[in-house]
Amino acid sequence: DTAVSQTPKYLVTQMGNDKSIKCEQNLGHDTMYWYKQDSKKFLKIMFSYNNKELIINETVPNRFSPKSPDKAHLNLHINSLELGDSAVYFCASSQDRPGLGLYEQYFGPGTRLTVT
Amino acid sequence: DAKTTQPTSMDCAEGRAANLPCNHSTISGNEYVYWYRQIHSQGPQYIIHGLKNNETNEMASLIITEDRKSSTLILPHATLRDTAVYYCIASTDSWGKLQFGAGTQVVVTP
Repeated sequence: DTAVSQTPKYLVTQMGNDKSIKCEQNLGHDTMYWYKQDSKKFLKIMFSYNNKELIINETVPNRFSPKSPDKAHLNLHINSLELGDSAVYFCASSQDRPGLGLYEQYFGPGTRLTVT
Repeated sequence: DAKTTQPTSMDCAEGRAANLPCNHSTISGNEYVYWYRQIHSQGPQYIIHGLKNNETNEMASLIITEDRKSSTLILPHATLRDTAVYYCIASTDSWGKLQFGAGTQVVVTP
């Protein structure tokens, strides 16, 4: 069973389009994340949701909007795609364990977005 | 969160122990040390974490110096499948905000 899954795995689209990436976790975790890994391989956190509430929102253009319909899902919608949005996007999840060093995050396989 | 410094790359012979150093000289008392790795084209994978004491699990051991300014991740018997980028991260126990750096590219050779 896949713990954290993402769809699609690859996404090729043109500038100006709107696209969504879906993420689902079957681990029963409370917290989910979106990360972006650019061409230089740096991995940066974008958003984090805890029990469907946004708790981390890094300096991300407002063209990016996360949506969490329930604890098991965190989707990423991107409006007006730009060339610089080309990257690999990873979803992750973790279980709240405050005070115990919580962050054993489980990552999905990634979605490679190419904007042409 | 404290900045961490790792070597850019290192090689290790298959079957030998791999010792990966990490410097976090500005770490604060409530910051944990986390290790993740990323095998090519895959999502990062959690390895281990610790606060003060040394830790061991089925994947690796984490040795943290007494002053907590540095740590070493030990892969006891490296295999070819351990070839990956290894990330050392210092982070407070707050809302899961892990800041990944450049990491160490580890290549395990036969």
